[in-house]
Amino acid sequence: EIVLTQSPGTLSLSPGERATLSCRASQTISSNSLAWYQQKPGQAPRLLIYGASSRATGIPDRFSVSGSGTDFTLTISRLEPEDFAMYYCQQYGNSFTFGGGTNVEIK
Amino acid sequence: QLQLQESGPGLVEPSETLSLTCTVSGGSINSYTYYWAWIRQSPGKGLEWIASISYSGIPYYNPSLKSRVAISVDTSANRFSLDLTSVTAADSALYYCAAQGGATRLAWFDPWGQGTLVTVSS
Repeated sequence: EIVLTQSPGTLSLSPGERATLSCRASQTISSNSLAWYQQKPGQAPRLLIYGASSRATGIPDRFSVSGSGTDFTLTISRLEPEDFAMYYCQQYGNSFTFGGGTNVEIK
Repeated sequence: QLQLQESGPGLVEPSETLSLTCTVSGGSINSYTYYWAWIRQSPGKGLEWIASISYSGIPYYNPSLKSRVAISVDTSANRFSLDLTSVTAADSALYYCAAQGGATRLAWFDPWGQGTLVTVSS
């Protein structure tokens, strides 16, 4: 099983700041088969990015990803009030596993 | 626009079988474009994939749950279902159904249903 480790656990930032979230895999993820989700309290996860770099429908371009192999990063260029939420990475190169999440909270 | 809605009992007794249904609207469950999945979320285990099924009815299971899980499709009702046997308190979680994009067995999950909370307790 591929284990995904997200860091930091919590990121305290202000609106307008840049957020950098890390997702590290225990082994290489084939074909960059990585997705990112946003989850707000009381809501289901929402797909942000798949295939390591393709934004889902309606996702603004302030969300971007980088990385390959075992190390991936989700960057939110300028935090908007609606961006404060939990973020999860998920790999689908070898079955399916999720990271433990990063909570982006208002500082 | 594809939408999914879970339904099922909120409370299940230990050792019993948990049965959930996901009704799909805005698209056909027969579509080759999608696979269909169940995922659960709990404070202890986070997000955990349970099972998926292809548009043709081929199931795939999380090895850690395989002995207790069955997923099936009802094309006439445009829905798919999950059965989890011999439940314990560890199976208490928020259960989501989701579509898998990409028309392949291994793909991202989008969209998700709103989730249904299941508590295992006597």
